[in-house]
Amino acid sequence: AQSVTQLDSQVPVFEEAPVELRCNYSSSVSVYLFWYVQYPNQGLQLLLKYLSGSTLVKGINGFEAEFNKSQTSFHLRKPSVHISDTAEYFCAVSDLPNDYKLSFGAGTTVTVRA
Amino acid sequence: GAVVSQHPSWVICKSGTSVKIECRSLDFQATTMFWYRQFPKQSLMLMATSNEGSKATYEQGVEKDKFLINHASLTLSTLTVTSAHPEDSSFYICSARGGSGLSYEQYFGPGTRLTVT
Repeated sequence: AQSVTQLDSQVPVFEEAPVELRCNYSSSVSVYLFWYVQYPNQGLQLLLKYLSGSTLVKGINGFEAEFNKSQTSFHLRKPSVHISDTAEYFCAVSDLPNDYKLSFGAGTTVTVRA
Repeated sequence: GAVVSQHPSWVICKSGTSVKIECRSLDFQATTMFWYRQFPKQSLMLMATSNEGSKATYEQGVEKDKFLINHASLTLSTLTVTSAHPEDSSFYICSARGGSGLSYEQYFGPGTRLTVT
């Protein structure tokens, strides 16, 4: 079974500054990795995913993430944030042999200030 | 493409009554649907997995007689919270996984806020 650890519960950041959200996972099998964003009182929106191939994945809204197999990490980055990036961010892992279930991290609250 | 809707978006019910939440895949056939529960400021906890035409598989600790899940068609799954109590108040989110080409990804609905008074 896999587990997901998001190392930062809250990340305050100034507008136009870079941000990195850290995610580590543990799994005994190959996994698919995802980052989702959740705005208040809404469902989850997929930012990006890693399935295979290039370890640097680019997503929507200027986000990117890098898969590091040796460190079992999938950190999310954005070089310059906007006020509208204020939201909750979830890292998730899918263990395919386990019927595509997603295991979520605890989430990271990003607050962007002017 | 790959849009999932939920209805209602919010519902208030009295303690002891039942409430049904619908989850629909609007533009694809969902072979599997998932139901999650999210408490304020917390992550999503998987409640159950349902495949069309078969019984749902519940996660450990989830009462299957209280949270009835039906997945009667490839585009509709329902979650019925029976004899609801205030502790059942939560944000319920469904997701759907499609067939080939969409099989590796879950698409999430906008969620349903349930308040039990």
